Amino acid sequence: EAQVTQNPRYLITVTGKKLTVTCSQNMNHEYMSWYRQDPGLGLRQIYYSMNVEVTDKGDVPEGYKVSRKEKRNFPLILESPSPNQTSLYFCASSLRSSEKLFFGSGTQLSVL
Amino acid sequence: GESVGLHLPTLSVQEGDNSIINCAYSNSASDYFIWYKQESGKGPQFIIDIRSNMDKRQGQRVTVLLNKTVKHLSLQIAATQPGDSAVYFCAESPDPGRRALTFGSGTRLQVQP
Repeated sequence: EAQVTQNPRYLITVTGKKLTVTCSQNMNHEYMSWYRQDPGLGLRQIYYSMNVEVTDKGDVPEGYKVSRKEKRNFPLILESPSPNQTSLYFCASSLRSSEKLFFGSGTQLSVL
Repeated sequence: GESVGLHLPTLSVQEGDNSIINCAYSNSASDYFIWYKQESGKGPQFIIDIRSNMDKRQGQRVTVLLNKTVKHLSLQIAATQPGDSAVYFCAESPDPGRRALTFGSGTRLQVQP
């Protein structure tokens, strides 16, 4: 089944403790992206990747890192999480940029 | 900056009626638009898309209309069902070839039985 898989589904952590949210897609998509979703603010792009080893900042990149060593994986790294990074995170992929995105099921992150 | 917006945050309709969800966009350079549906606890799900060289596109029970003159996008759902209850997002592609989509804040559709 074609899908975007992200883990974990739920995560509670404390300020400053590094964490990684994994994302994997099995559709051989070139383009991958991370979004955060907050009430009243909609979906905002954090980082995106046009292809392997090519990443770039989205609208709200501060406090996040990403890597794209393999085509299928696009992990989101929070080196030192802060409470304002409490949010619902979505990984998404598409065949090419600006095409329809396929989304994962989301990761609800709470930073205490 | 330019952004995608929605006219109504919540729309309540009776089961069996047609629903119309509206969206205004401000970036005249956008050439691709998508509607997504997001059910509670799930990720956004693609519904239908349209390119700027089209005015209308139909899917199964859904129709998207694009009015480039007034920068307006709408999603029509025929014979709305309880399973259509969700938040609907429109999204635009303002920077083709470089970035992905810019999303509006969403409209909640509530279907009354």
